[in-house]
Amino acid sequence: AQSVTQPDIHITVSEGASLELRCNYSYGATPYLFWYVQSPGQGLQLLLKYFSGDTLVQGIKGFEAEFKRSQSSFNLRKPSVHWSDAAEYFCAVGARNGGSQGNLIFGKGTKLSVKP
Amino acid sequence: DAGITQSPRHKVTETGTPVTLRCHQTENHRYMYWYRQDPGHGLRLIHYSYGVKDTDKGEVSDGYSVSRSKTEDFLLTLESATSSQTSVYFCAISAKVNTEAFFGQGTRLTVV
Repeated sequence: AQSVTQPDIHITVSEGASLELRCNYSYGATPYLFWYVQSPGQGLQLLLKYFSGDTLVQGIKGFEAEFKRSQSSFNLRKPSVHWSDAAEYFCAVGARNGGSQGNLIFGKGTKLSVKP
Repeated sequence: DAGITQSPRHKVTETGTPVTLRCHQTENHRYMYWYRQDPGHGLRLIHYSYGVKDTDKGEVSDGYSVSRSKTEDFLLTLESATSSQTSVYFCAISAKVNTEAFFGQGTRLTVV
């Protein structure tokens, strides 16, 4: 079955420290990959996406993610976290050949807290 | 930001009553989705649409119906609301299948 796993439910980092959020997926073939961020009371905002090509992708707000096919992973990173990065982060996958079913499968999210 | 408007943004309703949530888009995207978000479950797909009058069920469709009579509007109806349907509901749109989706601000529904 297709699934997305975000192993960390909650992570706390100090402001200025580096960040890595993990995402692993189970899929029949290499899917499209996405990271979204959700601030409290808000909808989800797309941070970055991987479709093909360079496995290191850059996104908004200084985030990047690396696709590793051998590990079925798409981890999100940021070199220096800001207090405004405190939010919940969702990894999502979508099939390349979804036919009429256009559906993203989401992980359960990782909540990021930032210490001053 | 993508032009997606959900209404209402908040609603409290009684068990057993019908409820309709509306999603309106100005992007002319073909695909529209309804998700629900619950703590510990992430986002789960309720129904989706791949064109006017073309809809299909998602993972958690029981107790919900949808309609799409125009490209820009996608309605979600809870036929007889139950407490288990208390949740935050998100509408999303995408231009092509399984490309990035853009989300509305959400509707917080409480069934008492």
